[in-house]
Amino acid sequence: AQSVTQPDIHITVSEGASLELRCNYSYGATPYLFWYVQSPGQGLQLLLKYFSGDTLVQGIKGFEAEFKRSQSSFNLRKPSVHWSDAAEYFCAVGGARTAGNKLTFGGGTRVLVKP
Amino acid sequence: DVKVTQSSRYLVKRTGEKVFLECVQDMDHENMFWYRQDPGLGLRLIYFSYDVKMKEKGDIPEGYSVSREKKERFSLILESASTNQTSMYLCASSPRQGNQPQHFGDGTRLSIL
Repeated sequence: AQSVTQPDIHITVSEGASLELRCNYSYGATPYLFWYVQSPGQGLQLLLKYFSGDTLVQGIKGFEAEFKRSQSSFNLRKPSVHWSDAAEYFCAVGGARTAGNKLTFGGGTRVLVKP
Repeated sequence: DVKVTQSSRYLVKRTGEKVFLECVQDMDHENMFWYRQDPGLGLRLIYFSYDVKMKEKGDIPEGYSVSREKKERFSLILESASTNQTSMYLCASSPRQGNQPQHFGDGTRLSIL
């Protein structure tokens, strides 16, 4: 069975500081990995995705993530956080062996940005 | 851009009512999904559909049913609403190819009184 763990429920970061959100997954084959962001009262917006190839992927809004197969991790990073990055972030895993393109989501990490 | 539209942003219903949540996508996607979102639990899959009239149970299907009569529309039905079904409900769609992301609607916040 596939699963995703986001160890940090809340993270507080100062504006302009760097941000790293952790994601660990379990999947029995090559995973498809995604990061989504959810602003209050909104649906989920895709930040970036990894399927194959280069393990460092770039996304929208200045985010990047690195796939590390040996650690079963797909951590999200941003060098300098803006106040508008305050939101909840979800990591998700799927794959070619998953029927119907289903995804499994982590519990989410809520990011607070201090001025 | 893909547009996934959920018919209501907020909905208040009473215990025992039959509740319909509607979702429409405009990108001819084969797959459609219904999730519920609760604090600390992330998104949990209720049902999904990979074709018209096809449906598969997700992780938490109890108390729910779905209908997909047309490719663009996927309905979630609460047969007899209960207070523990108060939640945020999110609909998503994706193409058939497994390496494509899901696209989400803005959600329906449902309160059962």
